[in-house]
Amino acid sequence: GENVEQHPSTLSVQEGDSAVIKCTYSDSASNYFPWYKQELGKGPQLIIDIRSNVGEKKDQRIAVTLNKTAKHFSLHITETQPEDSAVYFCAASNFGNEKLTFGTGTRLTIIP
Amino acid sequence: SQTIHQWPATLVQPVGSPLSLECTVEGTSNPNLYWYRQAAGRGLQLLFYSVGIGQISSEVPQNLSASRPQDRQFILSSKKLLLSDSGFYLCAWSPRTYGYTFGSGTRLTVV
Repeated sequence: GENVEQHPSTLSVQEGDSAVIKCTYSDSASNYFPWYKQELGKGPQLIIDIRSNVGEKKDQRIAVTLNKTAKHFSLHITETQPEDSAVYFCAASNFGNEKLTFGTGTRLTIIP
Repeated sequence: SQTIHQWPATLVQPVGSPLSLECTVEGTSNPNLYWYRQAAGRGLQLLFYSVGIGQISSEVPQNLSASRPQDRQFILSSKKLLLSDSGFYLCAWSPRTYGYTFGSGTRLTVV
């Protein structure tokens, strides 16, 4: 089955700087890669996703890049703000598979 | 639009007591439904998922069970809670294409 590794497990960034979280996956058939943000005491929320037919997707300050050859994808947050502090999870799946495989999460702290 | 409801938000139960957590989805039909558990500061552990009424797949053998009595209702149960059942329980749904939507979670403390 699919295995997703996520790094780093914790990340502290000065407010205004950029943050990058990286994930690798094992199943070359995976073609959907979402990112979730979980604030304290809440359920994870989808913030951005990418499908395997594109290499990059942006939504305001967040972007995701995908390298299918190397089987890794990354989340980029620019101009970080205190409200970006949360736990971020990457995930991967193959369309037709009922399950997402999640990474282990990254706790991002933005230092004011 | 689709919404997912999960209740209760918090629950404190004694060891050995039963458990019933409920999750319902509105605004869609025939969704995939999931139960996850998250220990404090840890990742997401898939417990059960369902692709249809009465169809339950178990990912981790344990003290819990799940049922799907109606298309948009998913229930997590236990006959006798253990201390190790404490955690943050999350329900999620998927439209059978891409992406999950999570509920707001239930924080269960077994004492």
